[in-house]
Amino acid sequence: GESVGLHLPTLSVQEGDNSIINCAYSNSASDYFIWYKQESGKGPQFIIDIRSNMDKRQGQRVTVLLNKTVKHLSLQIAATQPGDSAVYFCAETGQSDYKLSFGAGTTVTVRA
Amino acid sequence: KAGVTQTPRYLIKTRGQQVTLSCSPISGHRSVSWYQQTPGQGLQFLFEYFSETQRNKGNFPGRFSGRQFSNSRSEMNVSTLELGDSALYLCASSRGSGTQYFGPGTRLLVL
Repeated sequence: GESVGLHLPTLSVQEGDNSIINCAYSNSASDYFIWYKQESGKGPQFIIDIRSNMDKRQGQRVTVLLNKTVKHLSLQIAATQPGDSAVYFCAETGQSDYKLSFGAGTTVTVRA
Repeated sequence: KAGVTQTPRYLIKTRGQQVTLSCSPISGHRSVSWYQQTPGQGLQFLFEYFSETQRNKGNFPGRFSGRQFSNSRSEMNVSTLELGDSALYLCASSRGSGTQYFGPGTRLLVL
């Protein structure tokens, strides 16, 4: 079946550096692409989303890039902080899907 | 605006028992989805409700069921619990489609 996956299971980043988390998707019919952050013992927290008719969207310290040609999604975190340590999931959904399909997640560890 | 709330937060049951989990969506959200999260399988979709109707269902056995009330609150039920049902059960809400917002989850342990 079609699914959304992340390129790397783990990412170690020096505090203050920029982080880039990648995700490949296979469902070209998806309308929404969403990034979530999950800390230990908590539910996934919404970070940022992007619709399929956009290729870039910026939030506070985060930027999501969507490349539909190669079906690639990335999350960039500027000036990574210790509080950014978590598991990051990308997810995708369609207008009439009514469900999210998730990748396996990338564990980000921020080094002091 | 209050986020998605789930009760209870933690639950311990024994094999063969049944359990009911509750979810209150964000005010104004009419869609509620349920997901199961385990270390081995990741996040898996259970089902989704909108205006008291199930619109989509994942690949889970019939022991897993849900419902939605007229105020958009939702419950899911698992009957005849098995050890493999131990997981974090997550509820998410949305206005109807697109981005979903998650609650803190209910941690279920089946002994």
